[in-house]
Amino acid sequence: GAGVSQSPSNKVTEKGKDVELRCDPISGHTALYWYRQSLGQGLEFLIYFQGNSAPDKSGLPSDRFSAERTGGSVSTLTIQRTQQEDSAVYLCASSPSSDTQYFGPGTRLTVL
Amino acid sequence: AQSVTQPDIHITVSEGASLELRCNYSYGATPYLFWYVQSPGQGLQLLLKYFSGDTLVQGIKGFEAEFKRSQSSFNLRKPSVHWSDAAEYFCAVAPTSGTYKYIFGTGTRLKVLA
Repeated sequence: GAGVSQSPSNKVTEKGKDVELRCDPISGHTALYWYRQSLGQGLEFLIYFQGNSAPDKSGLPSDRFSAERTGGSVSTLTIQRTQQEDSAVYLCASSPSSDTQYFGPGTRLTVL
Repeated sequence: AQSVTQPDIHITVSEGASLELRCNYSYGATPYLFWYVQSPGQGLQLLLKYFSGDTLVQGIKGFEAEFKRSQSSFNLRKPSVHWSDAAEYFCAVAPTSGTYKYIFGTGTRLKVLA
């Protein structure tokens, strides 16, 4: 079956611009996560959505980062006024409301 | 604080040799434990997981891992490495309830010599 998909696969932007990253989870998965993978810093949790509950935003690094999940399916991670330190691979994962997370291929963001 | 340590940043082995990747965690209780593999330019693929029960778990691609509560470890092993195993390996822990958000180790990059 179809896995988690993310778009775009690569995004190059200029400092100060806003970007939107998209995640399509596996159909039927109620939980969705965003992680950031930075060079030399490993993977860090950003935000978690579960059904209609309020998202867990505890990992968002600043108020320039926001995310939404429409209709309990597709999610968009938005970074406003991008900075060079935002350059990373952004990974999305979904889970069938249990424990095991299934990851997408990621979006590589480069901020010039 | 909760943490996961993968003490080996890089490991190089010859094809056909055995492999052990180390993972230690610091957690208030026994968490869920995972190993993922990431090939270049790819997302993370689940190799295996431990929730409870038998402390030796089998995964895909011939990998296994053993949970040792007394050592807070969950080391990954493979008896004979193939060149295609070259990748980065991540250990992760998650709470057994709540958000299940993972805490990842920093990864071990495996190089396989022909």
